[in-house]
Amino acid sequence: NAGVTQTPKFQVLKTGQSMTLQCAQDMNHEYMSWYRQDPGMGLRLIHYSVGAGITDQGEVPNGYNVSRSTTEDFPLRLLSAAPSQTSVYFCASKGTGRHYGYTFGSGTRLTVV
Amino acid sequence: AQSVTQLGSHVSVSEGALVLLRCNYSSSVPPYLFWYVQYPNQGLQLLLKYTTGATLVKGINGFEAEFKKSETSFHLTKPSAHMSDAAEYFCAVSLPSSGYSTLTFGKGTMLLVSP
Repeated sequence: NAGVTQTPKFQVLKTGQSMTLQCAQDMNHEYMSWYRQDPGMGLRLIHYSVGAGITDQGEVPNGYNVSRSTTEDFPLRLLSAAPSQTSVYFCASKGTGRHYGYTFGSGTRLTVV
Repeated sequence: AQSVTQLGSHVSVSEGALVLLRCNYSSSVPPYLFWYVQYPNQGLQLLLKYTTGATLVKGINGFEAEFKKSETSFHLTKPSAHMSDAAEYFCAVSLPSSGYSTLTFGKGTMLLVSP
C-alpha cells in the first residue's frame, strides 16, 4: 500500500517555464488537495477536489491549475513559473467514515530561478 | 481571518521538562483538530487528532492534547521532553464550512530541546 505518491521530489525551474507536479493515491479516496509550505507560513491550501471531475480553489490558487480526471490522480500545473512559487508542495488525500484522516505525500521541493 | 493560532514560533525546553505547545482555533462550530510533526526535510506525520468523543486525545511518542471547547483550544503536551522531539509542530483544523474536506494549518511552532 503506497499511500500518496508525489513526483518529482526535487525540481528547479527557470522563470516562465511550465511543469506538472504529480500526485497519485491508491486508497480510493474521493478527497484530494494540494498545499504549499513556506517558512513561517505553515501550509496553505492551493486547490482541492471532492471527487473526479470536481475541483475548487483554496487560499492561494493564483498561478496554479488542477484537474481530476480519475479518482487516483490529482496533478498540479504551473503554467508560467515565478520565483514566488518557490516552495515545498504537499499533496494529501482524505479518507471518510471510520477511515477519516489525511494522508500526505512526501513533498516536492520546487525552486524557481 | 486566522482560523488557527499557534502561540510562539519557537519554544525551548530542557530534556526531561514538560512540553506545552499552544493552539487556539476560531470557529463557531467545533472543528476537527489535528497535530502534525515535521522533522527537518521530511513530510508531515500525524501525532493525534480529535473529531468527536473523549476530549483528551492520546497520540504517538507520548504526546497528548485536550480539546477545550470553552477555551477554543487544543494544546499539545508531553510530560518529559526527549532530544528526539526537536522538530516543527503544526496544529490544523478541518472546518464544517469546508465539509471537513480540507485542512487549515497554523504557522507552526519549532520545538528546541536542550540537554
